[in-house]
Amino acid sequence: DAMVIQNPRYQVTQFGKPVTLSCSQTLNHNVMYWYQQKSSQAPKLLFHYYDKDFNNEADTPDNFQSRRPNTSFCFLDIRSPGLGDAAMYLCATSRDRLASGAYEQYFGPGTRLTVT
Amino acid sequence: KNQVEQSPQSLIILEGKNCTLQCNYTVSPFSNLRWYKQDTGRGPVSLTIMTFSENTKSNGRYTATLDADTKQSSLHITASQLSDSASYICVVSANKVIFGKGTRLHILP
Repeated sequence: DAMVIQNPRYQVTQFGKPVTLSCSQTLNHNVMYWYQQKSSQAPKLLFHYYDKDFNNEADTPDNFQSRRPNTSFCFLDIRSPGLGDAAMYLCATSRDRLASGAYEQYFGPGTRLTVT
Repeated sequence: KNQVEQSPQSLIILEGKNCTLQCNYTVSPFSNLRWYKQDTGRGPVSLTIMTFSENTKSNGRYTATLDADTKQSSLHITASQLSDSASYICVVSANKVIFGKGTRLHILP
């Protein structure tokens, strides 16, 4: 059974039109992450939540926001998508922060975002 | 500067052959090192996690090694299968989590 679910799998949006990607988990993990991955590149961490505590990466543009209304769900909001925001967006979870120990990190299948 | 370097960038081998992928890191202080497999268009899947005190860990045909002194890790794939065609990503955790750029592995029949 899928443990980290992302919807939709494919999203097309227009330049400048707000878009929301969603992620849900059945693992009851404390930490949820959002990564951006462009073609042939490593995933780039945008931000993560430790429970309700939001942790933004220093180089994440203000255009990217996130919400975590409860343990199970986390959303990525892109307020004004540009052509450069076209990418695969990966959601992941872990029981605790990865640097704290050998905690497994589980990734969702990703949402492929196209900006027209 | 914290870095994770993987080599080779890409690799092509015949089905049934073995291969070894390399990961060198300068991340400090070190907490753990992970290897992930990422199929095209999918999310990464964890293969192994190793902490400072571990120097080898296996997951089926995948065996990871870690030399914390030289800050090197390798992922050895035995008897490769077509389904092993994927990107393999090395991730090192310290106070931040640093991703390598991955090795793209192609298995030919």
